[in-house]
Amino acid sequence: AQTVTQSQPEMSVQEAETVTLSCTYDTSESDYYLFWYKQPPSRQMILVIRQEAYKQQNATENRFSVNFQKAAKSFSLKISDSQLGDAAMYFCAYRSLTGANSKLTFGKGITLSVRP
Amino acid sequence: GAGVSQSPSNKVTEKGKDVELRCDPISGHTALYWYRQRLGQGLEFLIYFQGNSAPDKSGLPSDRFSAERTGESVSTLTIQRTQQEDSAVYLCASSVTGTGWGYYEQYFGPGTRLTVT
Repeated sequence: AQTVTQSQPEMSVQEAETVTLSCTYDTSESDYYLFWYKQPPSRQMILVIRQEAYKQQNATENRFSVNFQKAAKSFSLKISDSQLGDAAMYFCAYRSLTGANSKLTFGKGITLSVRP
Repeated sequence: GAGVSQSPSNKVTEKGKDVELRCDPISGHTALYWYRQRLGQGLEFLIYFQGNSAPDKSGLPSDRFSAERTGESVSTLTIQRTQQEDSAVYLCASSVTGTGWGYYEQYFGPGTRLTVT
């Protein structure tokens, strides 16, 4: 079974600065998807960014980018020019491409606070 | 268009009572997932529906938990004889499909916060 580990429970960043959130995972599969989700206090899960394991190029979405290290099974999220609205819980998630169930396996999450 | 909706938003119940949680997926989405999020934890998969196929119930924590889905529409998650450990946020997600190698985004509802006293 796959596991996702987010070892940092909390992080804080100054507004306009850059922060990196860490995630490692364990799998024996070679093809899969990885995701970062944002969950604000409203509880609504919002997809921030995704990465296909077969792609070597790191995904980027505006101020959000990832550092995907397949051999190390590491998938970190970098948030540039942090904004107050970025404050939320962030979850790293894994999706297998085998089997008939494309459920997501989540890490425990990290609470990000942004200081004005 | 309308997103995934869930009701009720919050539910407080006494230990030992049964509860029913409802999820309305996005129209046309054949795949539907239920997840549980305990306080300070990530989401845990509970059950998955794909069209008319038999559901994948592998994540249900006990036989007190069950879920139904009528066709490709509404789903209900039922918890019988609730325990305090059932207190959590229950999230529902839907996607166009859940099978195959393609990428199909899961759209999440706002969740139901269940508190068992």
